[in-house]
Amino acid sequence: GQNIDQPTEMTATEGAIVQINCTYQTSGFNGLFWYQQHAGEAPTFLSYNVLDGLEEKGRFSSFLSRSKGYSYLLLKELQMKDSASYLCAVIDSNYQLIWGAGTKLIIKP
Amino acid sequence: IAGITQAPTSQILAAGRRMTLRCTQDMRHNAMYWYRQDLGLGLRLIHYSNTAGTTGKGEVPGGYSVSRANTDDFPLTLASAVPSQTSVYFCASSVDTSGSGANVLTFGAGSRLTVL
Repeated sequence: GQNIDQPTEMTATEGAIVQINCTYQTSGFNGLFWYQQHAGEAPTFLSYNVLDGLEEKGRFSSFLSRSKGYSYLLLKELQMKDSASYLCAVIDSNYQLIWGAGTKLIIKP
Repeated sequence: IAGITQAPTSQILAAGRRMTLRCTQDMRHNAMYWYRQDLGLGLRLIHYSNTAGTTGKGEVPGGYSVSRANTDDFPLTLASAVPSQTSVYFCASSVDTSGSGANVLTFGAGSRLTVL
């Protein structure tokens, strides 16, 4: 079966750095997405990785290791508005999106 | 503002009733999707459409139907609602389904459905 694992919940402090991990076992791989979802709102696109390595976009970075079936989202200089759920999703060999259950990130002052 | 419009925003429905959730996009995206999101679970694909005139079944299609008469509209119908269909429903679209950045999804604001 296909599976994506993320921690259910994480807590971090305003101004700090947090890393949210995602491991996947899928039938093939054609890319990995990270989406942000604030409570009661729709998911919004954060990043896309298809090659190994780090993609940096402002305070957010996303890393991929295809050989390990592993990705992480790194959030720096945390702000209260970063409190949200972060969803990892993988495109499999049939170009279907497989979603993780999401990681709820709580930011404390 | 370009994007996806869903209606209704929320609805309480008696079991056994028929319900259609509407979805319209103005980005001329080829692909459209319906997901449901339940607490503790990932987004689950109900139905999808790669292009106007075609539809396909996702992970949890039972009890739902869709149509794609044109590029912009992708309604989701519950023929006879049951309590297990209580959920938040998201419509989404992407340029196409070829992979790479073309798969980036744009989501509507969601429709919260409660079936009693």
